Amino acid sequence: DQQVKQNSPSLSVQEGRISILNCDYTNSMFDYFLWYKKYPAEGPTFLISISSIKDKNEDGRFTVFLNKSAKHLSLHIVPSQPGDSAVYFCAATEHGSSNTGKLIFGQGTTLQVKP
Amino acid sequence: DAMVIQNPRYQVTQFGKPVTLSCSQTLNHNVMYWYQQKSSQAPKLLFHYYDKDFNNEADTPDNFQSRRPNTSFCFLDIRSPGLGDAAMYLCATSFTRGNQPQHFGDGTRLSIL
Repeated sequence: DQQVKQNSPSLSVQEGRISILNCDYTNSMFDYFLWYKKYPAEGPTFLISISSIKDKNEDGRFTVFLNKSAKHLSLHIVPSQPGDSAVYFCAATEHGSSNTGKLIFGQGTTLQVKP
Repeated sequence: DAMVIQNPRYQVTQFGKPVTLSCSQTLNHNVMYWYQQKSSQAPKLLFHYYDKDFNNEADTPDNFQSRRPNTSFCFLDIRSPGLGDAAMYLCATSFTRGNQPQHFGDGTRLSIL
């Protein structure tokens, strides 16, 4: 049972335009969400995160939006640059007495930004 | 730069031959994680150490074990690798457990002959 889903395996965007990557989750106990970027032959690199007490977090060109009622989050990249071409993973973690810091990942979305 | 280093980057072993993957960190983080990522799938947590306390995931096969001799190093041992264990193995660290990012190494790609 996949608790974090990224339904779009790939996305292609023109340089300078907005990239929107989507992620859905099923576990209402998730309270912290992260986006990671992964280049080929490298490990995932942390990009941005959001706590469930917020609905938006912004860091430069990257903004994450959280809609708790819809169990949906999205990552907006504006403007998109060719160097943003990578696989983007959404991840979530559950707080509580059994918290291990375990990250539950989606399957990733491959973003291609065309010059 | 503080980092998470995994060695080797590529490892080939024979079916049934024990193999050890290594992870070291200079971040002085308390928690070290091992994830398995099979082709086109999401990374999946195998186990983690919080300081010297080992925490195994319920669905991690017995074939997989780990050692953490000190704060800086953590090892993943696969006692009798099967063809299904071919994957990318990712080590990650965090200062503590909870709502904070984990820092990943570049992974070790394991192939089984």
